[in-house]
Amino acid sequence: GAGVSQSPSNKVTEKGKDVELRCDPISGHTALYWYRQSLGQGLEFLIYFQGNSAPDKSGLPSDRFSAERTGGSVSTLTIQRTQQEDSAVYLCASSPTQDRSGNTIYFGEGSWLTVV
Amino acid sequence: AQSVAQPEDQVNVAEGNPLTVKCTYSVSGNPYLFWYVQYPNRGLQFLLKYITGDNLVKGSYGFEAEFNKSQTSFHLKKPSALVSDSALYFCAVTERYGGSQGNLIFGKGTKLSVKP
Repeated sequence: GAGVSQSPSNKVTEKGKDVELRCDPISGHTALYWYRQSLGQGLEFLIYFQGNSAPDKSGLPSDRFSAERTGGSVSTLTIQRTQQEDSAVYLCASSPTQDRSGNTIYFGEGSWLTVV
Repeated sequence: AQSVAQPEDQVNVAEGNPLTVKCTYSVSGNPYLFWYVQYPNRGLQFLLKYITGDNLVKGSYGFEAEFNKSQTSFHLKKPSALVSDSALYFCAVTERYGGSQGNLIFGKGTKLSVKP
């Protein structure tokens, strides 16, 4: 597609359930990022994939969070045993390569997660 | 460590007046600097970036920003504000070289309100 596509756009889940959030990056982009935006907390880096390299997981807040990227394209962010503090907007982004080269990172519309 | 500061939580401007949204940064090396805008219930949209060269960068929707190395600032400006500019604005930085993996570090955002 023309932009970064995320699904679902909205998800309400019960505390303790697992959720999967999907991201389809811009075609040809090798770098893929997940960020979390919580109310009043700004944007928090979660994880970064670059090509076939090992992902940078340094931003994942706990071992309940994991992500994978299959075939160098689509990525899934999984949150296990969701907690109310996981309620946030999860933003996926992609760029032609890692941003150290100055390439622009393009964001999707986000997946709005509410844990009740 | 990299960091970005947006000292104003909110900026109020009358339509037709010039606007400035402030951003200062801290990196150990040379920075790449970005501005993004977020409209209500939407993802982040890229506005402009500074990579190298001319310190005055022009971007989308009539916005511009000036890189000031001595003051470590990258303030966003527009000569004449529109009501439709009302949104949340994020400044972001990444290091050109260094230990970071290239992910963007964001400020907490500044809410711009333009009144008719």
